[in-house]
Amino acid sequence: DQQVKQNSPSLSVQEGRISILNCDYTNSMFDYFLWYKKYPAEGPTFLISISSIKDKNEDGRFTVFLNKSAKHLSLHIVPSQPGDSAVYFCAASARRSGGGADGLTFGKGTHLIIQP
Amino acid sequence: DSGVTQTPKHLITATGQRVTLRCSPRSGDLSVYWYQQSLDQGLQFLIQYYNGEERAKGNILERFSAQQFPDLHSELNLSSLELGDSALYFCASSALMGQPQHFGDGTRLSIL
Repeated sequence: DQQVKQNSPSLSVQEGRISILNCDYTNSMFDYFLWYKKYPAEGPTFLISISSIKDKNEDGRFTVFLNKSAKHLSLHIVPSQPGDSAVYFCAASARRSGGGADGLTFGKGTHLIIQP
Repeated sequence: DSGVTQTPKHLITATGQRVTLRCSPRSGDLSVYWYQQSLDQGLQFLIQYYNGEERAKGNILERFSAQQFPDLHSELNLSSLELGDSALYFCASSALMGQPQHFGDGTRLSIL
């Protein structure tokens, strides 16, 4: 049972345009969401996160939107650059009573290709 | 560079053997997490330690165990290895539980 789903295995976007990566989740206990970027032969690199008390978080060219009622989040990259070509993972966690949070539940990733 | 160091980068061994993977977290991070990435399952959470104590367990097999030492480095022990254990094993760390996790570059384990 996949609790975090990224339904697009790949996405091709022209340089300078907006890239929109989507993620859906099923577990209503998730309250903290993150996006990671991964290059081959490297570990995932943290990009941006959002707590369930917010619906938008921005950091430079990256913006994450959260729609709790639809259990959907998206990552917008504007403008897209060639160095953004990588696999992007959506991840989620649930805070635990007594403090802390569970380990992250990851989607299977979307391969973003930025075309020159 | 995330600041999380994993050794070794590659490990090749045979079925039935036992291996130990090592992780040094970022300076100051108290929480360490282990993940397994296989081709069919994606990134799966295995286990979490916080300041030396086990705090959460995910899909970790009984043949696998971990610990976090007083200097905060962590080791993941995999025993009675099977072909299906071939995967990338990632360690991540965070300052506090619930904060963004920062990943090492992984150990690639190949079982022959």
